[in-house]
Amino acid sequence: EPEVTQTPSHQVTQMGQEVILRCVPISNHLYFYWYRQILGQKVEFLVSFYNNEISEKSEIFDDQFSVERPDGSNFTLKIRSTKLEDSAMYFCASKIQETQYFGPGTRLLVL
Amino acid sequence: GENVEQHPSTLSVQEGDSAVIKCTYSDSASNYFPWYKQELGKRPQLIIDIRSNVGEKKDQRIAVTLNKTAKHFSLHITETQPEDSAVYFCAASRNEKLTFGTGTRLTIIP
Repeated sequence: EPEVTQTPSHQVTQMGQEVILRCVPISNHLYFYWYRQILGQKVEFLVSFYNNEISEKSEIFDDQFSVERPDGSNFTLKIRSTKLEDSAMYFCASKIQETQYFGPGTRLLVL
Repeated sequence: GENVEQHPSTLSVQEGDSAVIKCTYSDSASNYFPWYKQELGKRPQLIIDIRSNVGEKKDQRIAVTLNKTAKHFSLHITETQPEDSAVYFCAASRNEKLTFGTGTRLTIIP
């Protein structure tokens, strides 16, 4: 069964550094998402992407964040200048109809 | 925006008994309600979902009920087994994003 994949599984970075989190959605899916989950808390929506543009974003998704689909398979989340509070698990998800399928996540730790 | 409340935050049940988790939502335009199971350190996995034109849906030991008038929906797990132990999240969606509840840590006591 096809699955969403994400790399890296873990990333440690210094505050102020840029990070790029990568996702490969399920191949025939058309809608892509990033969510984050701070340790012990609920999953929070960051951004949705359809037809090569952002369709919705949350207030968390400020100017430090950007998303891109650089080719036909990858979907990336960039954080330009990381802050301590960006430490979280970041999940990519994709869907074709209503069901969103989640990737295994990237655990980001900002020191 | 949408707000989803989930109760209880923790739930312990004896193996073989039933577990019920309840959620309420605020946006009457929400029309899709999935439930995800998340094991420690793993991705959320969809276990069942329901759309607003349906009142109840069942899949083996798992069922979900939806009351649109009251804006609440519930997850029912019958004949619980140790492998049901996990954190369960409800969510609500209108078009795009999922708004998640705060999660219920379910522990099945052997």
